[in-house]
Amino acid sequence: DAKTTQPPSMDCAEGRAANLPCNHSTISGNEYVYWYRQIHSQGPQYIIHGLKNNETNEMASLIITEDRKSSTLILPHATLRDTAVYYCIVRPNTGFQKLVFGTGTRLLVSP
Amino acid sequence: NAGVTQTPKFQVLKTGQSMTLQCAQDMNHNSMYWYRQDPGMGLRLIYYSASEGTTDKGEVPNGYNVSRLNKREFSLRLESAAPSQTSVYFCASSEVLHGQPQHFGDGTRLSIL
Repeated sequence: DAKTTQPPSMDCAEGRAANLPCNHSTISGNEYVYWYRQIHSQGPQYIIHGLKNNETNEMASLIITEDRKSSTLILPHATLRDTAVYYCIVRPNTGFQKLVFGTGTRLLVSP
Repeated sequence: NAGVTQTPKFQVLKTGQSMTLQCAQDMNHNSMYWYRQDPGMGLRLIYYSASEGTTDKGEVPNGYNVSRLNKREFSLRLESAAPSQTSVYFCASSEVLHGQPQHFGDGTRLSIL
């Protein structure tokens, strides 16, 4: 599975957009980008995933560059409850899925 | 709307004691997983079960055993607990088709003295 690189921490003001970057320069053609988050020692929560097109759901948007070597998770209007560790994971979308978690980005949303 | 349920939520053991962590899911998922998370680190896969009747080792299987009791339940056993196994343990489940996401339980916080 491709390796990912994320900044260890980021800050964001409440109500502003939070843009979390992820580099995955060795991603393969059949590998998807997944985002999970973990709020204060709870179990990780799935946010969104995509292959090459931008994706949006009720939680967030995912922007993947044309060369697929990096992506950005966007929380359009961050709230205090979005304070969490965000994990970017790359894995194939076929066969059995085994997630490899790195150390993620710790996002702190402040009033 | 339970999802993935883990029991117990907290446990303290003495070195050498045995313990079974229980996990059950109500989403009819084929695959189930056990992870551990040490302070300040990401999750590491201990064991997984791709489907009922199969189990396989993950990154850190030493000191653990698992049982896929049926489609709903996947247990993790520590036969002789060691202080290095102090951690938070998460169970997860998923379908395997089309990259469906994993759904996680709230974890079991295990301390071994």
